[in-house]
Order: sequence, then structure tokens, then C-alpha cells
Amino acid sequence: KQEVTQIPAALSVPEGENLVLNCSFTDSAIYNLQWFRQDPGKGLTSLLLIQSSQREQTSGRLNASLDKSSGRSTLYIAASQPGDSATYLCAARTGANSKLTFGKGITLSVRP
Amino acid sequence: DTEVTQTPKHLVMGMTNKKSLKCEQHMGHRAMYWYKQKAKKPPELMFVYSYEKLSINESVPSRFSPECPNSSLLNLHLHALQPEDSALYLCASSRGGRRDRNIQYFGAGTRLSVL
Repeated sequence: KQEVTQIPAALSVPEGENLVLNCSFTDSAIYNLQWFRQDPGKGLTSLLLIQSSQREQTSGRLNASLDKSSGRSTLYIAASQPGDSATYLCAARTGANSKLTFGKGITLSVRP
Repeated sequence: DTEVTQTPKHLVMGMTNKKSLKCEQHMGHRAMYWYKQKAKKPPELMFVYSYEKLSINESVPSRFSPECPNSSLLNLHLHALQPEDSALYLCASSRGGRRDRNIQYFGAGTRLSVL
């Protein structure tokens, strides 16, 4: 059974800092890994999807990497802004039914 | 357009009421999903429809009844809910197909309160 872990649960940084959010998974036989952003009380916004054959994906100030062998993915946010404050969830897609297994998320606060 | 639209945004219902949640997408996706999310928890999968057929039911109580009338619409019928069913209900869609590896797009959710 796939398990996805995100540590720490919360993170507070000053504006302008570059930061890395970590995600680990137990079953390396994933199809892909997806990073989402969720604002309080809102739905999930897809940020990046990395297929199992890829090592990284980039979108603007975001860069996500995937290391299947070690069961890790990271989301790198460059030059953080207060508007980046949100909960960031990673989800691994595995199994014959291609289910998404979510981590519990990291709540990020970027201080002005 | 990568939009998944959910209505209503908020719903308050009594334990004897019958209500429905609606979800719509026009991306041509053939897989649609219902998730339940409690506060400060990750989303939990409830149902998956693939090509308008129910493919996954995660042992959800029968008071939740999904329906997929066509490839663009997904409903969740609610009846005799309990207060612990209060949560954010999220709909998602993806391209679909065997071993779907595509992005799941989520709606903004329906905030349900059961009194």
C-alpha cells in the first residue's frame, strides 16, 4: 500500500527566500507524481505533474524533481512571495487502478 | 479551458434531507472523481467513473449515491447524512483510459454542513 509523507507539516519563511518542500513515498512503482496547491477552504490547483520517466518539471518559479529510486520528490519555490502562502500537497499515482495517494500537505506561510 | 465546475459552493442540510452535488467539465475527460476532504486532512477518494461507468467505490456508505448521466456531468446524491459527513466535497477529472497517467483537475469544491 502506497504511503506518502510530507514533513514538516508547516513552514514559515520571510519573503524572497528560496525554499524546498519535500515529499516521500514508500512504493517506487509510481506512474507519476503531482503537486497541488490548496488555499483555505478552496479546491486543489494542479501545479506540476512529473511522469515516472521524467526527472523534473518547471513552471515559472516552481521546479519539481522526482527520484523514484529513493522515493522522493521535491518542490522548489524560487523567490517566495506572500501570495505563495497556501497548503502544498503531493500525490503519487500508483496501482492497477491508478489511484492518487495524497500526503497530508505542508502549510506554507511567507512573511512580508 | 481546464475548469471543473461544482455547484453549489455551500450546502447546509438536515439529516432527513435529500440533496445533490453537481460537477461539470468540458475538457472531454472520460474519468471523473469524487473526493471528501475533512479540515486539515488530505482528500480521500470516494468514487471513480471511467467512461460513464462506476469503476471504483471506496466502500462509501450507501447514503452517498453517485451518478454519471453523461461524459461531462457527475452528480453525488445525498440522503440521510450524518453530522460527521460535513466536509469539503471535491470533484476532479482526468483524460481517462487504461492506466490513466494524466493530470487530475479539481473543482473548487462544495462545502457541506449536516445539521
